[in-house]
Amino acid sequence: AQSVSQHNHHVILSEAASLELGCNYSYGGTVNLFWYVQYPGQHLQLLLKYFSGDPLVKGIKGFEAEFIKSKFSFNLRKPSVQWSDTAEYFCAFLKGTGRRALTFGSGTRLQVQP
Amino acid sequence: EAGVVQSPRYKIIEKKQPVAFWCNPISGHNTLYWYRQNLGQGPELLIRYENEEAVDDSQLPKDRFSAERLKGVDSTLKIQPAELGDSAVYLCASSLGGSNEQFFGPGTRLTVL
Repeated sequence: AQSVSQHNHHVILSEAASLELGCNYSYGGTVNLFWYVQYPGQHLQLLLKYFSGDPLVKGIKGFEAEFIKSKFSFNLRKPSVQWSDTAEYFCAFLKGTGRRALTFGSGTRLQVQP
Repeated sequence: EAGVVQSPRYKIIEKKQPVAFWCNPISGHNTLYWYRQNLGQGPELLIRYENEEAVDDSQLPKDRFSAERLKGVDSTLKIQPAELGDSAVYLCASSLGGSNEQFFGPGTRLTVL
């Protein structure tokens, strides 16, 4: 079965620390990859996406992610986090063909301390 | 541009009662999705519509759940009767045909007592 693993369930960082959240997917075919963010009390918002081309993609608010096909990974990074980055982060993938529904990971709760 | 609208935002009911959720997608988006998000988990698809046709309802528990999108615009998801295990956030999302990007609504948080 296709799935997404997010290895860090809860991450606590101080402001200005660097962030890397792990994401691995299990599917052998072509995929589109996404990171969504959910700020407290708000709805899911797209942070960044990878469809094809340059495996290093940049999103909003200084986030970036790198697709490494050989590792089935799509890790999220930010060089310096801010208190306002406190949120829950979800990695998801969409199969290139067939079923057109996102498969989500279980999420990583990021808490940034001032 | 208005986003995906859902109502109600919160609903508390007793088990065995019926409940319904409503979603209005972004104007022009012909694909509509209902997801369920259990506590501590990511969203999971319940049903996907292309216009008024349900093209993927394999994960919808059909004994108690039903959905409709009669005119290919807004949609209603119903549970009858509700069980304790149905407590979750029900999310609606929409996308333009052919696009891989889905836009999510704020969700309806259901609590079944």
